[in-house]
This record gives sequence, structure tokens and C-alpha cells, in this order.
Amino acid sequence: AQRVTQPEKLLSVFKGAPVELKCNYSYSGSPELFWYVQYSRQRLQLLLRHISRESIKGFTADLNKGETSFHLKKPFAQEEDSAMYYCALKGRGTDKLIFGTGTRLQVFP
Amino acid sequence: DSGVTQTPKHLITATGQRVTLRCSPRSGDLSVYWYQQSLDQGLQFLIQYYNGEERAKGNILERFSAQQFPDLHSELNLSSLELGDSALYFCASSVGGGTGRVGEQFFGPGTRLTVL
Repeated sequence: AQRVTQPEKLLSVFKGAPVELKCNYSYSGSPELFWYVQYSRQRLQLLLRHISRESIKGFTADLNKGETSFHLKKPFAQEEDSAMYYCALKGRGTDKLIFGTGTRLQVFP
Repeated sequence: DSGVTQTPKHLITATGQRVTLRCSPRSGDLSVYWYQQSLDQGLQFLIQYYNGEERAKGNILERFSAQQFPDLHSELNLSSLELGDSALYFCASSVGGGTGRVGEQFFGPGTRLTVL
């Protein structure tokens, strides 16, 4: 079964601390993985995708096929990073996204 | 605003009723997706349309149906509503569809449905 698991509902850190939002997936094959973010009063938007292998707003995520994980990391959290983060999976040959339940990141000053 | 638009923003109705949610995709996008977000649930994929045709179906109830019109806007119809149908319903759009090589999905602001 295709599934995305985000084990933490809430992650609270202080400004300047490292952040890691966990994402594990279940998929038989090679999926595409994404991180979407929703800031307060804004719509859901794409943060990054694993095939791009890029850093957006200081965030990176590496696909670990052995551990079936796609954790989102940032070395120094900023207050403006406070938001809801969703990990999502797209299977080969399909367009639909399978989302995790999301992790709320709170960055305190 | 050239982004994805959804109407209405909020909808309050009673059990047993029928409602229609509307979505207009971004200009140029041919695919429309519908997702449901219930309390403590992630976004659940419901259905995808591409250029007027159904392309993929998720866990969509038989009481729910959707369509995409020639102008590419889409409507999600929910009938015989139950309390458990209360949720946020998101629409997203993308340029392509049906090939697995679709680009980024752009999301609308959502419609909050409350069934009393």
C-alpha cells in the first residue's frame, strides 16, 4: 500500500536551532517525493521536490531509498519558517499526490 | 488573481443535503484535482480530471461526483451529506495530466464544509 507517514504532529524549536521534519513512505517502486508548506493564512505551496535536489529557503531533503525516508532539514531555523509542512508522494505513471498528515513547525524567538 | 480559485470559502449545511463546490484552475492548466482534508487527516486524493475527462480516482465516495467543463472549471458535488463529510476540500491544478510527468500542482485556498 502507498503511504506517507509523518510521525510528529508538532515540532517546536528556538530560532537558530537545527530542524528535521521526518517523513517515511511506503511504495513498491521509485516514487517522487515532495514537501509542501502552508504558512498561516496562505494556501498550500510546493517547497521542494527530490528530483530537483535543490535547497529552498535553506531547506534540503534527501531521498533515502534504503530507509524509505525523505526528511526535511534546515541547519538554522527562522521564525518565518513556522508553518504546516506536508510530505507527499507521487507514484510512477500517476499524477495524484499521497500526503502525510503534516507536521506543524513552531519556531520561537 | 491568476491562481486557483475556489468558491464558496465556507459552506454550512444540514445532513442529507446536497452541495456543489466550484474550482477554477490556473490559466493554461488542464488538470484539476480534488482533495479532502478532515480533522487530523492529511489531504486525501479524491479525483482528477484532465481536459474534461476523468483521469484518476481515489477514495471518493459514491455520494460524491465531479466533472470538468469545457472552460476547464470543475465542480465537486456532494450529496446525502453526513456529519463526517465536514472537511476542507481543496482543489489543485497542473499543466499536464495522466502521464505521471505532470508538473507542480498549484492549490486553491479550499472550501470549508460544515455539516450540522
